[in-house]
Amino acid sequence: NAGVTQTPKFRVLKTGQSMTLLCAQDMNHEYMYWYRQDPGMGLRLIHYSVGEGTTAKGEVPDGYNVSRLKKQNFLLGLESAAPSQTSVYFCASSYGSGQYQETQYFGPGTRLLVL
Amino acid sequence: LAKTTQPISMDSYEGQEVNITCSHNNIATNDYITWYQQFPSQGPRFIIQGYKTKVTNEVASLFIPADRKSSTLSLPRVSLSDTAVYYCLVGPYGGATNKLIFGTGTLLAVQP
Repeated sequence: NAGVTQTPKFRVLKTGQSMTLLCAQDMNHEYMYWYRQDPGMGLRLIHYSVGEGTTAKGEVPDGYNVSRLKKQNFLLGLESAAPSQTSVYFCASSYGSGQYQETQYFGPGTRLLVL
Repeated sequence: LAKTTQPISMDSYEGQEVNITCSHNNIATNDYITWYQQFPSQGPRFIIQGYKTKVTNEVASLFIPADRKSSTLSLPRVSLSDTAVYYCLVGPYGGATNKLIFGTGTLLAVQP
């Protein structure tokens, strides 16, 4: 099993450009999440999904959109990138028993630089 | 969700036992305590979880006193490869969502 994979690993954007980050998991997990990590800030939840076709806002959702058309994929979109969105983005998934604090499995991260 | 407080950084030497303490004074009755480990350029990885007393697995031990207002992650005989950031998280077991709240964590630096 590959676990959680993220594409691309690194990307440079100009302000105003758009892009989509792809997260894929092969563990048949129901729940998926997108976090961003900034220096000295820990990880912050952007959006999450509790099942195919569903999404919900996390702690810092502004400027991002997500879609979960297939159970194994969770896409994070930036419609108009801003320098403040320069960060490392992590995707995670969990089994989805509905119990908080179940183990989350993280991908390797995507480094995004917005100039 | 209960707020956690951890030391920003700790230093240790190979072969030593390392104890990282997390303070969570506002922990609720149904909150569990979970620790994650993050290596540079990688996503966090689950280490251990507990509710009270002591939990041990092949990687670490977790000590939780009776009042549960703090917890201590114990790493036995650390090696250079244990250099990482360690996060303490507190939250309820049960509910419709599974959101994790990460603080800034503790950077453990293991030296030869």
